[in-house]
Amino acid sequence: GAVVSQHPSRVICKSGTSVKIECRSLDFQATTMFWYRQFPKQSLMLMATSNEGSKATYEQGVEKDKFLINHASLTLSTLTVTSAHPEDSSFYICSAIDRGNTEAFFGQGTRLTVV
Amino acid sequence: DAKTTQPTSMDCAEGRAANLPCNHSTISGNEYVYWYRQIHSQGPQYIIHGLKNNETNEMASLIITEDRKSSTLILPHATLRDTAVYYCIAADQGGKLIFGQGTELSVKP
Repeated sequence: GAVVSQHPSRVICKSGTSVKIECRSLDFQATTMFWYRQFPKQSLMLMATSNEGSKATYEQGVEKDKFLINHASLTLSTLTVTSAHPEDSSFYICSAIDRGNTEAFFGQGTRLTVV
Repeated sequence: DAKTTQPTSMDCAEGRAANLPCNHSTISGNEYVYWYRQIHSQGPQYIIHGLKNNETNEMASLIITEDRKSSTLILPHATLRDTAVYYCIAADQGGKLIFGQGTELSVKP
């Protein structure tokens, strides 16, 4: 299957700072990327849909000014958690889909801990 | 996206077939049935998907009922490494997946 890579795999930051997470499709061009958040013992929750060259579409209840998404190229999307607080600590996961495929592939996830 | 219903948990003996059911009675005509699994602290892994015909790949088989209201994922010879949460999702081909709670499969020696 196609490879999607996230960086960093885990990050610890201080409360009030911003953190950027990268999601790259390594061997295909991702027309669309998705960002999810997963709290312990819970399922994945879709946060936003990111299309290359256009603004992201956020799910209801997700603050777009807090979770900044940029999809500047067909192989890279970034999620920036601004002014992070301890309640933002979570597992953030991206997925990407190739224009020629029918299934999305996921990154390995980023464990964010805000202290 | 159509909602799916799966058992919360299942056990399977190592080497035996694991049959994971999924109900998706409100699935629409353009929605596929996708199966992913998530091993602890990793991103979900794609397993298989289908529209109405049964599908098989190197990982699993997918059996979809004729009315498309339910399906079964079959892992033919489960190993300990197949222990994971398995998600059944009904979605169109755009890649947007809404995850339910999934089935926690425990493969036991």
